[in-house]
Amino acid sequence: DTGVSQDPRHKITKRGQNVTFRCDPISEHNRLYWYRQTLGQGPEFLTYFQNEAQLEKSRLLSDRFSAERPKGSFSTLEIQRTEQGDSAMYLCASSLPPGKDWIFGPGTRLTVL
Amino acid sequence: GENVEQHPSTLSVQEGDSAVIKCTYSDSASNYFPWYKQELGKRPQLIIDIRSNVGEKKDQRIAVTLNKTAKHFSLHITETQPEDSAVYFCAASSTGNQFYFGTGTSLTVIP
Repeated sequence: DTGVSQDPRHKITKRGQNVTFRCDPISEHNRLYWYRQTLGQGPEFLTYFQNEAQLEKSRLLSDRFSAERPKGSFSTLEIQRTEQGDSAMYLCASSLPPGKDWIFGPGTRLTVL
Repeated sequence: GENVEQHPSTLSVQEGDSAVIKCTYSDSASNYFPWYKQELGKRPQLIIDIRSNVGEKKDQRIAVTLNKTAKHFSLHITETQPEDSAVYFCAASSTGNQFYFGTGTSLTVIP
């Protein structure tokens, strides 16, 4: 593979609906990160995995958010009962330890109506 | 936690002039400072980084300087070109996992 991929690239949903995003990291990268970027701001850390273990979670990750990386390869980020404030670009990144060769994916832009 | 401040928020320069963007950080444990360039609607892309054991790093027209004592680091772009126009983000990290980003600088290079 040539980079980090994310699916879908755009998602429009109504408030209260659940959404799930997928991230496929660079295959040899065992670290995977989720960040959120709102308009005019820098990315904010949400969570990261080393292999299948979720090692760190931000306080931004409320109980409506859950992330998984079941086999240590791709990861999913689910948002339940979406709110308008969840509208943002959700960026995935992957790296080798200890944060070497960090690369962002193209992002999933979420719009909650 | 870490707090990264970035200035200016917008910057316009004439083509061929230099551009300087400055960031300060609060956590003395931070030891890795990358800079990202983000074009409209695209992912942030790493353009240069510096570790705390180095005071300056240069890559062609781009350079980064770090002052650990004062807890600030700067991005310098020389001989600016229109394609340098983008939003630039600085970041700081002590772990290589959780990065704290600045709020971005929108650079416009006027032909």
